[in-house]
Order: sequence, then structure tokens, then C-alpha cells
Amino acid sequence: QVQLQQSGPGLVKPSQTLSLTCAISGDSVSSNSAAWNWIRQSPSRGLEWLGRTYYRSKWYNDYTPSVKSRITIYPDTSKNQFSLQLNSVTPEDTAVYYCARDLPNRGGSENPTFDYWGQGTLVTVSS
Amino acid sequence: DIVMTQSPDSLAVSLGERATINCKSSQSVLYSSNNKNYLAWYQQRPGQPPKLLIYWASARESGVPDRFSGSGSGTDFTLTISSLQAEDVAVYYCLQYYGTPRTFGQGTKVEIK
Repeated sequence: QVQLQQSGPGLVKPSQTLSLTCAISGDSVSSNSAAWNWIRQSPSRGLEWLGRTYYRSKWYNDYTPSVKSRITIYPDTSKNQFSLQLNSVTPEDTAVYYCARDLPNRGGSENPTFDYWGQGTLVTVSS
Repeated sequence: DIVMTQSPDSLAVSLGERATINCKSSQSVLYSSNNKNYLAWYQQRPGQPPKLLIYWASARESGVPDRFSGSGSGTDFTLTISSLQAEDVAVYYCLQYYGTPRTFGQGTKVEIK
């Protein structure tokens, strides 16, 4: 059974950096089939996929264009976890942040999309 | 980006009656090489992360009651709850995983009439 446990501060000041970590159990951040994603949810923006990191002989990242200049998602193989950094935050970045796993290379009859999620972290951007 | 538009935004259905939610994508999410629609449905209850119900537009996730079904192809999709139960009160989202960025619909809130 895969479990994702999120950690990180719930309050960040404007212009500072939002940092969250997602610890993985039951799978490996270096898996050749999984991808490790960050998704956020707010009343104004709904569910918004932010990006992912994944390993396919080397590390890759994909980011959504709206935050691409401010975001970094990176793995920590020694701790089997991955992290989100979002720079220069504004109150518009206030949201519940989730980490999630998917298996995008799956075909056939198996599920390839987000199956395991973290518990969610409410991050408020305020001075 | 592929824009996902759901309708209606909310609906109220009597217990035991059918609930139907629609999702339209701004471009086809049908991949011609494998004839699969890269479309999923999620259920979200308050305070919880989304829960996967349907993938490949019509494949039910393990453990999901068979009153939930998905249909459609290309750009138009439907989630049907055949006989609404009290525990189905939630917000439902469609998701396209055809390309990046992944994009969700705005959500449909289902309530009991």
C-alpha cells in the first residue's frame, strides 16, 4: 500500500518561498514507472496541476506554464521523498496543496492516473 | 492547454434517482494509436483529497460501486450515478491526462433533493 505524507509550513509571507515535502512509503521516488506530482486547490482556481518529477534513466520535470518561472519539484532519493518549492509567492498562491502519484506509462486495462494522494496542506500566504 | 468544462455546476437529485454529469474537453483526448480516451473522474468529499472513480473514460477503479459509470469519447464524456445514495454527496471532477499540463474540470456539486 502506497502512502504519501506531506509536511511543511502552513503560513508563508508574500514574496517568500513556499516549501513542502512529500514522504513516500510503499513505492520509490526513483521508480521507472511512477511520476510524483504536486496539485493545488483553491476556490478561485479549482484543482490545478502544478508539475511533476520522474525518473526514466535520468530525472525529468514538467511544470504548468502559469508557474513555470517560479517552481521547482525535486527528489531526495536518500529519504525517498520529493519536494515543492514555489518562489515569490503572493496571496493568490493560497491553496490546499496535495502531492500525488501517477503511473503515466501504463497502458492496457490498468489505471495510469493519480491514484494515491497526500493528506493535503493548507498554505496561506499572508504577512 | 486542454480546457475541461463540466455541466452543470451543481445538481440536486432524490435518493435512488439518477445523476448525470457532463464533461467537455477543448480538444480530443482520444489517442488514436491505442483507441483510448485519456479521461478520468474523481469524487471529492469535504476535507479529503480527490478519490479516483473512473479511468480510460469508462473503466471503474477497484472498489468503486457499480452504480458509478463513465461513457463518452473524443471530447464529450458523462459520469452517471445510477441510483444516488446519501454517501454520494460530493463534488465530482473530470481530469484529462492526454497531455501536460494535466487539467481538471471546475467541478460539479451533487446534493440530495
